[in-house]
Amino acid sequence: DAGVIQSPRHEVTEMGQEVTLRCKPISGHNSLFWYRQTMMRGLELLIYFNNNVPIDDSGMPEDRFSAKMPNASFSTLKIQPSEPRDSAVYFCASRELIAGGDEQFFGPGTRLTVL
Amino acid sequence: AQKITQTQPGMFVQEKEAVTLDCTYDTSDQSYGLFWYKQPSSGEMIFLIYQGSYDEQNATEGRYSLNFQKARKSANLVISASQLGDSAMYFCAMRAYLFLSNDYKLSFGAGTTVTVRA
Repeated sequence: DAGVIQSPRHEVTEMGQEVTLRCKPISGHNSLFWYRQTMMRGLELLIYFNNNVPIDDSGMPEDRFSAKMPNASFSTLKIQPSEPRDSAVYFCASRELIAGGDEQFFGPGTRLTVL
Repeated sequence: AQKITQTQPGMFVQEKEAVTLDCTYDTSDQSYGLFWYKQPSSGEMIFLIYQGSYDEQNATEGRYSLNFQKARKSANLVISASQLGDSAMYFCAMRAYLFLSNDYKLSFGAGTTVTVRA
């Protein structure tokens, strides 16, 4: 089992550029979560999907952030335009949505630096 | 609103000794779950242990045990026989109920950094 796969692992970009982060959940998992981790704010949930449908996007900081899940095996988190304060580690996690199933499996994260 | 509090930003522990990481929570839900995750310096988040609010016994997973005191709303993690590889940041998390979607999401504490000394 490959686990949750995220790409790229590191991204350095300049302010104003578009950034796209990618995630492949564990096969068979039907919930997917995007988190952001910073020193100041800790680990924050940005958005999550059940069966490819966005359920809760209340954590998305502003309109510059958007997330899609076109199919069960792929999701993207896009920031356009990026700003230095978006610098953080972005985690994707997946979960098998079953009764009582709560454990989320995290990917390795993408470390984003916006100059 | 649910809230997770980890009051220890950092701790040192001697190898082979036990260490207790504090976690308190606040929720009005009757049914909830508590989790501990480990984040080593490499950055990945590793699930360690889970405790359900209706579980009568404290959860244990190898060297990890959860000291669950429901009345005090605490869910402390105990790591026994510490190893150098235990050096990491540890996050306490609680399952929060989302009424509108009849689903749950995790809320995380600020984390505790553990450094194991040889």
